[in-house]
Amino acid sequence: DSGVTQTPKHLITATGQRVTLRCSPRSGDLSVYWYQQSLDQGLQFLIQYYNGEERAKGNILERFSAQQFPDLHSELNLSSLELGDSALYFCASSPVTGALNTEAFFGQGTRLTVV
Amino acid sequence: AQKITQTQPGMFVQEKEAVTLDCTYDTSDQSYGLFWYKQPSSGEMIFLIYQGSYDEQNATEGRYSLNFQKARKSANLVISASQLGDSAMYFCAMRDPDYKLSFGAGTTVTVRA
Repeated sequence: DSGVTQTPKHLITATGQRVTLRCSPRSGDLSVYWYQQSLDQGLQFLIQYYNGEERAKGNILERFSAQQFPDLHSELNLSSLELGDSALYFCASSPVTGALNTEAFFGQGTRLTVV
Repeated sequence: AQKITQTQPGMFVQEKEAVTLDCTYDTSDQSYGLFWYKQPSSGEMIFLIYQGSYDEQNATEGRYSLNFQKARKSANLVISASQLGDSAMYFCAMRDPDYKLSFGAGTTVTVRA
Protein backbone atom coordinates (compact mmCIF):
# COMPACT_ATOMS: atom_id res chain seq x y z
CA ASP A 1 0.00 0.00 0.00
CA SER A 2 1.59 3.25 -1.20
CA GLY A 3 -0.49 5.44 1.10
CA VAL A 4 -2.03 7.31 -1.83
CA THR A 5 -5.78 6.84 -2.07
CA GLN A 6 -7.78 7.34 -5.22
CA THR A 7 -11.54 7.20 -5.51
CA PRO A 8 -13.45 5.82 -7.20
CA LYS A 9 -11.56 2.77 -8.47
CA HIS A 10 -13.87 2.32 -11.42
CA LEU A 11 -16.15 4.76 -13.17
CA ILE A 12 -18.43 4.21 -16.13
CA THR A 13 -20.12 7.20 -17.65
CA ALA A 14 -21.64 8.41 -20.88
CA THR A 15 -20.18 10.74 -23.47
CA GLY A 16 -20.76 14.40 -22.72
CA GLN A 17 -20.85 13.88 -18.98
CA ARG A 18 -18.59 15.32 -16.29
CA VAL A 19 -16.77 13.37 -13.60
CA THR A 20 -14.51 14.15 -10.66
CA LEU A 21 -11.63 11.93 -9.62
CA ARG A 22 -10.31 12.31 -6.13
CA CYS A 23 -6.85 11.76 -4.72
CA SER A 24 -5.61 11.79 -1.13
CA PRO A 25 -1.81 11.94 -1.05
CA ARG A 26 0.39 10.24 1.50
CA SER A 27 0.39 11.94 4.86
CA GLY A 28 2.72 14.92 4.71
CA ASP A 29 3.26 14.84 0.95
CA LEU A 30 2.87 18.30 -0.52
CA SER A 31 3.23 17.47 -4.19
CA VAL A 32 0.52 15.77 -6.26
CA TYR A 33 0.80 14.60 -9.86
CA TRP A 34 -1.94 13.43 -12.21
CA TYR A 35 -1.28 11.03 -15.09
CA GLN A 36 -3.41 9.49 -17.80
CA GLN A 37 -2.58 6.00 -19.03
CA SER A 38 -4.30 4.84 -22.17
CA LEU A 39 -3.40 1.90 -24.38
CA ASP A 40 -2.13 3.95 -27.27
CA GLN A 41 -0.38 6.77 -25.43
CA GLY A 42 1.35 5.27 -22.44
CA LEU A 43 1.65 7.26 -19.22
CA GLN A 44 0.99 10.91 -19.97
CA PHE A 45 1.73 13.63 -17.44
CA LEU A 46 -1.26 15.92 -16.99
CA ILE A 47 -0.56 18.34 -14.16
CA GLN A 48 1.30 18.80 -10.88
CA TYR A 49 0.34 20.71 -7.76
CA TYR A 50 2.54 21.68 -4.88
CA ASN A 51 1.02 22.83 -1.61
CA GLY A 52 -2.12 24.04 -3.29
CA GLU A 53 -0.59 25.74 -6.29
CA GLU A 54 -0.19 24.54 -9.84
CA ARG A 55 3.48 23.73 -10.42
CA ALA A 56 3.73 22.12 -13.85
CA LYS A 57 1.38 21.43 -16.70
CA GLY A 58 1.63 18.67 -19.26
CA ASN A 59 -0.67 17.52 -22.02
CA ILE A 60 -3.88 18.36 -20.20
CA LEU A 61 -6.91 19.11 -22.31
CA GLU A 62 -8.91 22.30 -21.76
CA ARG A 63 -11.89 20.10 -20.86
CA PHE A 64 -9.88 18.85 -17.90
CA SER A 65 -9.08 20.81 -14.77
CA ALA A 66 -7.60 20.06 -11.40
CA GLN A 67 -7.05 21.63 -8.04
CA GLN A 68 -5.37 20.89 -4.75
CA PHE A 69 -7.20 21.84 -1.60
CA PRO A 70 -5.83 23.19 1.71
CA ASP A 71 -5.94 19.68 3.21
CA LEU A 72 -3.73 18.66 0.23
CA HIS A 73 -6.18 16.31 -1.39
CA SER A 74 -6.61 16.86 -5.09
CA GLU A 75 -9.41 16.51 -7.60
CA LEU A 76 -9.24 16.04 -11.34
CA ASN A 77 -12.36 17.20 -13.17
CA LEU A 78 -13.08 15.81 -16.61
CA SER A 79 -15.91 17.37 -18.59
CA SER A 80 -17.61 16.90 -21.96
CA LEU A 81 -16.27 13.38 -21.89
CA GLU A 82 -15.41 11.61 -25.12
CA LEU A 83 -14.83 7.94 -25.86
CA GLY A 84 -11.12 8.67 -26.17
CA ASP A 85 -10.97 9.82 -22.56
CA SER A 86 -11.37 6.23 -21.44
CA ALA A 87 -8.16 5.47 -19.57
CA LEU A 88 -6.56 4.71 -16.24
CA TYR A 89 -5.98 7.92 -14.32
CA PHE A 90 -3.24 7.89 -11.74
CA CYS A 91 -2.50 10.24 -8.93
CA ALA A 92 0.96 10.26 -7.39
CA SER A 93 2.42 12.17 -4.48
CA SER A 94 5.89 12.98 -3.25
CA PRO A 95 7.07 14.59 -0.02
CA VAL A 96 8.58 17.80 -1.30
CA THR A 97 9.19 19.29 -4.66
CA GLY A 98 12.71 20.36 -3.84
CA ALA A 99 14.49 17.06 -4.27
CA LEU A 100 15.25 15.30 -7.52
CA ASN A 101 15.71 11.95 -5.83
CA THR A 102 12.30 11.76 -4.30
CA GLU A 103 10.25 9.05 -5.90
CA ALA A 104 6.57 9.54 -6.54
CA PHE A 105 4.19 7.16 -4.80
CA PHE A 106 1.26 6.13 -6.94
CA GLY A 107 -2.32 5.41 -6.07
CA GLN A 108 -4.15 2.41 -7.47
CA GLY A 109 -5.67 4.50 -10.22
CA THR A 110 -9.20 5.23 -11.36
CA ARG A 111 -10.30 3.32 -14.42
CA LEU A 112 -12.63 5.54 -16.41
CA THR A 113 -14.77 4.04 -19.13
CA VAL A 114 -16.75 6.39 -21.34
CA VAL A 115 -19.57 4.71 -23.24
CA ALA B 1 11.90 19.42 -23.45
CA GLN B 2 12.93 16.07 -22.15
CA LYS B 3 12.19 12.74 -23.72
CA ILE B 4 12.50 9.18 -22.44
CA THR B 5 12.79 6.36 -24.93
CA GLN B 6 12.22 2.68 -24.28
CA THR B 7 12.75 0.86 -27.55
CA GLN B 8 11.72 -2.64 -26.46
CA PRO B 9 7.95 -3.01 -26.44
CA GLY B 10 8.15 -6.57 -25.12
CA MET B 11 10.71 -9.06 -23.90
CA PHE B 12 10.73 -12.71 -22.90
CA VAL B 13 13.12 -14.08 -20.31
CA GLN B 14 13.62 -17.53 -18.86
CA GLU B 15 13.10 -17.92 -15.14
CA LYS B 16 16.32 -17.45 -13.13
CA GLU B 17 18.05 -15.61 -15.98
CA ALA B 18 18.88 -11.91 -16.13
CA VAL B 19 17.20 -9.39 -18.38
CA THR B 20 18.22 -5.87 -19.37
CA LEU B 21 15.63 -3.22 -20.18
CA ASP B 22 16.84 -0.29 -22.21
CA CYS B 23 16.16 3.34 -21.46
CA THR B 24 17.65 6.38 -23.09
CA TYR B 25 16.82 9.95 -22.30
CA ASP B 26 17.32 13.33 -23.81
CA THR B 27 17.87 16.38 -21.66
CA SER B 28 19.99 19.50 -21.58
CA ASP B 29 19.76 19.70 -17.81
CA GLN B 30 22.77 18.81 -15.67
CA SER B 31 20.70 17.83 -12.66
CA TYR B 32 18.06 15.18 -13.03
CA GLY B 33 16.85 11.98 -11.47
CA LEU B 34 16.12 8.68 -13.16
CA PHE B 35 13.60 6.14 -11.90
CA TRP B 36 12.27 2.74 -12.80
CA TYR B 37 8.74 1.65 -11.97
CA LYS B 38 7.02 -1.72 -12.32
CA GLN B 39 3.37 -2.07 -13.27
CA PRO B 40 1.99 -5.60 -12.83
CA SER B 41 -1.26 -6.67 -14.45
CA SER B 42 -3.14 -5.46 -11.39
CA GLY B 43 -2.29 -1.92 -12.49
CA GLU B 44 -0.48 -0.34 -9.57
CA MET B 45 2.79 1.53 -10.12
CA ILE B 46 5.61 0.25 -7.93
CA PHE B 47 8.85 2.20 -7.47
CA LEU B 48 11.94 0.03 -8.03
CA ILE B 49 15.13 2.05 -8.17
CA TYR B 50 16.57 5.56 -8.45
CA GLN B 51 19.74 7.02 -9.99
CA GLY B 52 20.82 10.63 -9.67
CA SER B 53 22.64 12.37 -12.47
CA TYR B 54 25.58 13.12 -10.18
CA ASP B 55 25.77 9.66 -8.67
CA GLU B 56 29.05 8.05 -9.63
CA GLN B 57 28.06 4.53 -8.70
CA ASN B 58 25.31 2.54 -10.32
CA ALA B 59 22.27 2.10 -8.10
CA THR B 60 21.31 -1.34 -6.85
CA GLU B 61 18.24 -2.54 -4.98
CA GLY B 62 18.16 -6.26 -4.35
CA ARG B 63 17.80 -8.00 -7.73
CA TYR B 64 17.50 -4.67 -9.52
CA SER B 65 20.48 -2.70 -10.73
CA LEU B 66 20.71 0.34 -12.94
CA ASN B 67 23.42 0.54 -15.59
CA PHE B 68 23.91 4.29 -15.80
CA GLN B 69 25.98 5.64 -18.67
CA LYS B 70 25.72 9.39 -18.44
CA ALA B 71 27.67 10.23 -21.57
CA ARG B 72 25.40 7.98 -23.61
CA LYS B 73 22.33 9.20 -21.70
CA SER B 74 21.22 5.70 -20.94
CA ALA B 75 19.84 4.18 -17.74
CA ASN B 76 19.21 0.51 -18.37
CA LEU B 77 17.53 -1.65 -15.75
CA VAL B 78 18.96 -5.09 -15.08
CA ILE B 79 16.79 -7.65 -13.34
CA SER B 80 18.84 -10.61 -12.15
CA ALA B 81 17.56 -14.11 -11.35
CA SER B 82 14.16 -13.43 -12.91
CA GLN B 83 11.10 -14.76 -11.15
CA LEU B 84 7.62 -15.41 -12.49
CA GLY B 85 6.39 -12.48 -10.40
CA ASP B 86 8.62 -10.16 -12.39
CA SER B 87 6.26 -10.42 -15.36
CA ALA B 88 4.96 -6.87 -15.70
CA MET B 89 5.31 -3.61 -17.57
CA TYR B 90 8.41 -1.60 -16.67
CA PHE B 91 8.64 2.15 -17.04
CA CYS B 92 11.68 4.38 -17.07
CA ALA B 93 11.08 7.90 -15.80
CA MET B 94 13.02 11.12 -15.34
CA ARG B 95 12.54 14.04 -13.02
CA ASP B 96 13.87 17.34 -14.30
CA PRO B 97 14.95 20.39 -12.27
CA ASP B 98 11.37 21.67 -12.49
CA TYR B 99 10.42 18.41 -10.73
CA LYS B 100 8.14 17.22 -13.50
CA LEU B 101 8.27 13.41 -13.68
CA SER B 102 8.02 12.08 -17.25
CA PHE B 103 7.74 8.46 -18.33
CA GLY B 104 8.82 6.34 -21.26
CA ALA B 105 6.41 4.12 -23.21
CA GLY B 106 7.25 1.06 -21.15
CA THR B 107 8.55 -2.46 -21.79
CA THR B 108 6.49 -5.57 -21.13
CA VAL B 109 8.50 -8.39 -19.57
CA THR B 110 7.22 -11.94 -19.62
CA VAL B 111 9.08 -14.49 -17.52
CA ARG B 112 8.83 -18.08 -18.76
CA ALA B 113 9.02 -21.06 -16.42
